[in-house]
Amino acid sequence: GEEVAQTPKHLVRGEGQKAKLYCAPIKGHSYVFWYQQVLKNEFKFLISFQNENVFDETGMPKERFSAKCLPNSPCSLEIQATKLEDSAVYFCASSRRQGLLSYEQYFGPGTRLTVT
Amino acid sequence: DAKTTQPPSMDCAEGRAANLPCNHSTISGNEYVYWYRQIHSQGPQYIIHGLKNNETNEMASLIITEDRKSSTLILPHATLRDTAVYYCIPGSNDYKLSFGAGTTVTVRA
Repeated sequence: GEEVAQTPKHLVRGEGQKAKLYCAPIKGHSYVFWYQQVLKNEFKFLISFQNENVFDETGMPKERFSAKCLPNSPCSLEIQATKLEDSAVYFCASSRRQGLLSYEQYFGPGTRLTVT
Repeated sequence: DAKTTQPPSMDCAEGRAANLPCNHSTISGNEYVYWYRQIHSQGPQYIIHGLKNNETNEMASLIITEDRKSSTLILPHATLRDTAVYYCIPGSNDYKLSFGAGTTVTVRA
């Protein structure tokens, strides 16, 4: 598709429950990124993929967060045993590398996760 | 990663040009300058990027100083739909975007 699709739009989980978010990147884009926006204007990078391979996972809280991008499937971000502090909007973005260091990322509409 | 400094907010009259400054004095020689914006409740939207030369596209123009320590994003004819938070982001070799606080731009009728 021509847009990054994210599902669900909203997700409510009780503390300790699992949450799974999905992202379909733009067709032909080989990079996928996940960001967390906790408060207005505050973004945190979580993880990136080059095709199905993890490219950069320096932002991932490794104990409870995991992510995958498998061929012919939407990418996913899973949070085991959610905590109140995981409440945020999670954005997925994709990009197609252009030139040596030049690229732009296209963002999806986000998934709002509320942990109660 | 290079640090950026942007004014926290600015107002602009509808139909006038909006000039958004950004200081990035620690930017390295091969880092691009990217501009994104986030309209309320939406995902960030790519606007424009540049390395050394000034750039223009259908959305905006980007003016980069010769020493590359600062840049200005120009929205030539601001509309109410341009109300958003605008982010100036130096490109990094690991591709991830480091969003700062940005500039909240309010376009007034």
